[in-house]
Amino acid sequence: AQKITQTQPGMFVQEKEAVTLDCTYDTSDPSYGLFWYKQPSSGEMIFLIYQGSYDQQNATEGRYSLNFQKARKSANLVISASQLGDSAMYFCAMRDFSGNTPLVFGKGTRLSVIA
Amino acid sequence: NAGVTQTPKFRVLKTGQSMTLLCAQDMNHEYMYWYRQDPGMGLRLIHYSVGEGTTAKGEVPDGYNVSRLKKQNFLLGLESAAPSQTSVYFCASSLLADTQYFGPGTRLTVL
Repeated sequence: AQKITQTQPGMFVQEKEAVTLDCTYDTSDPSYGLFWYKQPSSGEMIFLIYQGSYDQQNATEGRYSLNFQKARKSANLVISASQLGDSAMYFCAMRDFSGNTPLVFGKGTRLSVIA
Repeated sequence: NAGVTQTPKFRVLKTGQSMTLLCAQDMNHEYMYWYRQDPGMGLRLIHYSVGEGTTAKGEVPDGYNVSRLKKQNFLLGLESAAPSQTSVYFCASSLLADTQYFGPGTRLTVL
């Protein structure tokens, strides 16, 4: 069965600094996808970045990058040059691609950016 | 192109009442999902659908029913609401087994 672990309930970062949000996963399927979502205080879930298990390069989307370490089963989100608007809950999720297994979410990390 | 929309945005029910939450997507996505989000619990999957006319149980299906009569709509029903069903409900859709896009959420309170 799939499992996602986010060990940091909350984090603080100074504005303009980089921050890493941890995510580890467990699966027996060799083909899977990893996702990060942002949930600001307004409540909507915003897709940030995706990494496939067979992708050779780490995914990047603007200031977001995913530090994918397959052997360690980790998929950490790195946010560079933090902005006040980055303050939000961040969820890591994964899905196995064999069969129709749906996304499994971690419990989230609350990031607070300090001016 | 509205993406994923949910109706209503807020609702208050009394224990034992029934209601239906409507999710609609205009992206021609095959897959649709219903989640609930509770404090400290992240998102938990209630039911999902991999195509029109199909439904499947997720992690926490008890007390809920769903229907996918049309590809663009996914309905979540509560037949007899309980206080334990007080939560924020999110609908999502995806083209296939890939990135999910979420609706704005419905805040439900059961008294």
